[in-house]
Amino acid sequence: QSALTQPASVSGSPGQSITISCTGTSSDVGNYDYVSWYQQHPGKAPKLMIYDVSNRPSGVSNRFSGSKSGNTASLTISGLQAEDEADYYCSSYTSSSTLVFGTGTKVTVL
Amino acid sequence: QVQLQQWGAGLLKPSETLSLTCAVYGGSFSGYYWTWIRQPPGKGLEWIGEINHSGITYYNPSLKSRVTISLDTSKNQFSLKLSSLTAADTAVYYCAKLGYQYYMDVWGKGTTVTVSS
Repeated sequence: QSALTQPASVSGSPGQSITISCTGTSSDVGNYDYVSWYQQHPGKAPKLMIYDVSNRPSGVSNRFSGSKSGNTASLTISGLQAEDEADYYCSSYTSSSTLVFGTGTKVTVL
Repeated sequence: QVQLQQWGAGLLKPSETLSLTCAVYGGSFSGYYWTWIRQPPGKGLEWIGEINHSGITYYNPSLKSRVTISLDTSKNQFSLKLSSLTAADTAVYYCAKLGYQYYMDVWGKGTTVTVSS
């Protein structure tokens, strides 16, 4: 299975909004509403930020939102803050009953 | 609140077998899926495989021939074995709990595994 495609890096100034894309195929992102997003700070375990395309777990800021159109899912961070600087990964369920991660995006707060 | 504690050997030689265990504390073990993920140094996350409470497993096709995930319900633990190791298997290995099989909502702290002669 091939990794989902994400931009290598995205940057923004404090207070701005940024969007990270996650492109898959009709065998994963396009066929299931089971896309999730993870935030990972250096040296730490990933943290679930969004599940089932657009749902936020309890305790995750409402500045994080998710959406999907066709084979591409997106994570939007609004009101960008210094603490949002991290790596972000998407993941999707696949038609083979497996999970696949995205290539990862480094978010930089300017 | 479920917490995961993982352990296993951190330094292995090529051709050896990796063995890691993850213990589940503070919540139900049955009824959930449990998974392993790895991250090579400076690289992205790779899903290894998962097991459900009935022992049904699903594996990453690229690792399937070398991976075994099992569970011990009497100890609330699940384990990973990866055989025929090479340097390419050097990574931080994470155990995690799956929410409804589709997303990882609780993670272990990770175990660094280095494969070197």
